[in-house]
Amino acid sequence: NAGVTQTPKFRVLKTGQSMTLLCAQDMNHEYMYWYRQDPGMGLRLIHYSVGEGTTAKGEVPDGYNVSRLKKQNFLLGLESAAPSQTSVYFCASSYSLRNYEQYFGPGTRLTVT
Amino acid sequence: GQQVMQIPQYQHVQEGEDFTTYCNSSTTLSNIQWYKQRPGGHPVFLIQLVKSGEVKKQKRLTFQFGEAKKNSSLHITATQTTDVGTYFCALRMDSSYKLIFGSGTRLLVRP
Repeated sequence: NAGVTQTPKFRVLKTGQSMTLLCAQDMNHEYMYWYRQDPGMGLRLIHYSVGEGTTAKGEVPDGYNVSRLKKQNFLLGLESAAPSQTSVYFCASSYSLRNYEQYFGPGTRLTVT
Repeated sequence: GQQVMQIPQYQHVQEGEDFTTYCNSSTTLSNIQWYKQRPGGHPVFLIQLVKSGEVKKQKRLTFQFGEAKKNSSLHITATQTTDVGTYFCALRMDSSYKLIFGSGTRLLVRP
């Protein structure tokens, strides 16, 4: 099993450009999450999904959109990138509400200039 | 909203010394998890604590959940260079799907 994978690993955008980050998991997990991590701060939840076709806002959703068209994939979109969105983005998944351990992908380092 | 404080922010120890990080919540928790993130890596799950006063051990790591379920600690005995990384607590309240992560404690170990 590959676990949780993320593409791309690195990306540099100019202000105003758009992009989509892809997260895929092969563990048949229901729940998926997108976090951002900034220096000196913990992980902050952007959006999450409790199942195929459902999404919900986390702590810091502004400027991001998400979609979960297939159970194994969770996409994070930036429609108009801003320098404040420079961060490391992690995707995670978990099996159920009771078995709550989250499995993280390797991360995407995004720089917006 | 839910507040979580994790201390210290940073600790630099000599190999062989002990290390402890603390996590405190402003409200009663359903459970707490601990994760480790190596430099340049991603968070990896270590353990989950559910019961009031619970103590769990993993080799040199000891995890405790407070009696009031508002705080937790991670203690490493006789640190090794392989312990280097950032340790995060993550809190869950009631039936929420979401985890709230502490800001982490970065551990450096001098060989």
